[in-house]
Amino acid sequence: NAGVTQTPKFQVLKTGQSMTLQCAQDMNHEYMSWYRQDPGMGLRLIHYSVGAGITDQGEVPNGYNVSRSTTEDFPLRLLSAAPSQTSVYFCASSPGLAYYYEQYFGPGTRLTVT
Amino acid sequence: DAKTTQPTSMDCAEGRAANLPCNHSTISGNEYVYWYRQIHSQGPQYIIHGLKNNETNEMASLIITEDRKSSTLILPHATLRDTAVYYCIVRDTGRRALTFGSGTRLQVQP
Repeated sequence: NAGVTQTPKFQVLKTGQSMTLQCAQDMNHEYMSWYRQDPGMGLRLIHYSVGAGITDQGEVPNGYNVSRSTTEDFPLRLLSAAPSQTSVYFCASSPGLAYYYEQYFGPGTRLTVT
Repeated sequence: DAKTTQPTSMDCAEGRAANLPCNHSTISGNEYVYWYRQIHSQGPQYIIHGLKNNETNEMASLIITEDRKSSTLILPHATLRDTAVYYCIVRDTGRRALTFGSGTRLQVQP
């Protein structure tokens, strides 16, 4: 299993540009989520999905859209990039939301918005 | 979720046990204690979790006090590869996500 994969690893955007961060998992996990991590800080939840066709907002959803058309993929779209969105983005998955499931994280995408 | 308090940083000698404390004095009865670590800006990695009994797996041991107000993560024989930021997280079973604080930066010294 490849686990959780994310592309690209690095990205530089200009203010106002849009882009999609890709996330895929090959473990047939129902639950997927996106976090962002600002320098020296912990991770904050952006959006999450409990299954194909179902998404919901997390702690910091503004400026981001998600969709979940398949179990495997959970892309994160930046609609109009702003310097405040400069961060490292992590995608995570788990079999479900129950307490006994660990979350598996991808390697991250480092985004810089100039 | 209950708030957690961890030391900002700790050092440990290679080969010795690393004991990382966490205070969660406002924990409620249905909240679990989780530990994750993040090595050099990689994605966080699950270590262990528990409710009230002590837990052990191949990576670490988790000791939770009887009143559940604090816990200790023990890495029995720390190696240089254990240098990382360790996050103690308290999570309600119904919560949709993990709430990460700032964690403890563990530096294992040769």
